Amino acid sequence: GENVEQHPSTLSVQEGDSAVIKCTYSDSASNYFPWYKQELGKGPQLIIDIRSNVGEKKDQRIAVTLNKTAKHFSLHITETQPEDSAVYFCAANSGYALNFGKGTSLLVTP
Amino acid sequence: EAQVTQNPRYLITVTGKKLTVTCSQNMNHEYMSWYRQDPGLGLRQIYYSMNVEVTDKGDVPEGYKVSRKEKRNFPLILESPSPNQTSLYFCASSVGLANNYEQYFGPGTRLTVT
Repeated sequence: GENVEQHPSTLSVQEGDSAVIKCTYSDSASNYFPWYKQELGKGPQLIIDIRSNVGEKKDQRIAVTLNKTAKHFSLHITETQPEDSAVYFCAANSGYALNFGKGTSLLVTP
Repeated sequence: EAQVTQNPRYLITVTGKKLTVTCSQNMNHEYMSWYRQDPGLGLRQIYYSMNVEVTDKGDVPEGYKVSRKEKRNFPLILESPSPNQTSLYFCASSVGLANNYEQYFGPGTRLTVT
């Protein structure tokens, strides 16, 4: 299946700082790129997604950018808060499947 | 409340003892799937179902079975569990194929096989 690489695997930031998580994918036909947030003891939950017809999408403090030429997309969280601490997964579609990155554990310290 | 439920949430069993993890959704979703989550490996799809009586293999189907006799239910069956199936399992559902629609995940089932 498609290979989705996600970096970094862990990220620690101070409250109020920005956090950036980056993903690359291999299937040039991919056109749907969601981001999921997994809080401790819970299932992943969609926080934002982007389709290949746009280069950027924002939702309050969260934004995602997509570079189809370079086959990479990134999650940006501004003004981080302790409740942003979680594991974040990027994903990209390939055929019928949705392939996930290995996850980034984000810790926001007060 | 729209949700995906899984049971049990925690299970400790022994090698070779058949078990079933149930999954149910109340959103009338066509598509359902099972994932396993392992440290350092992220989420990997085991099986998925596009509708009643339609199931297909994901990336890691070996050792698992599924069935989709009703739209709302999608149980995961381990006929002869082995220690390498110790993992955190998630069921998910979506209105359409996972490659294009938001997936709603259950709370997870932590399985330990000794």
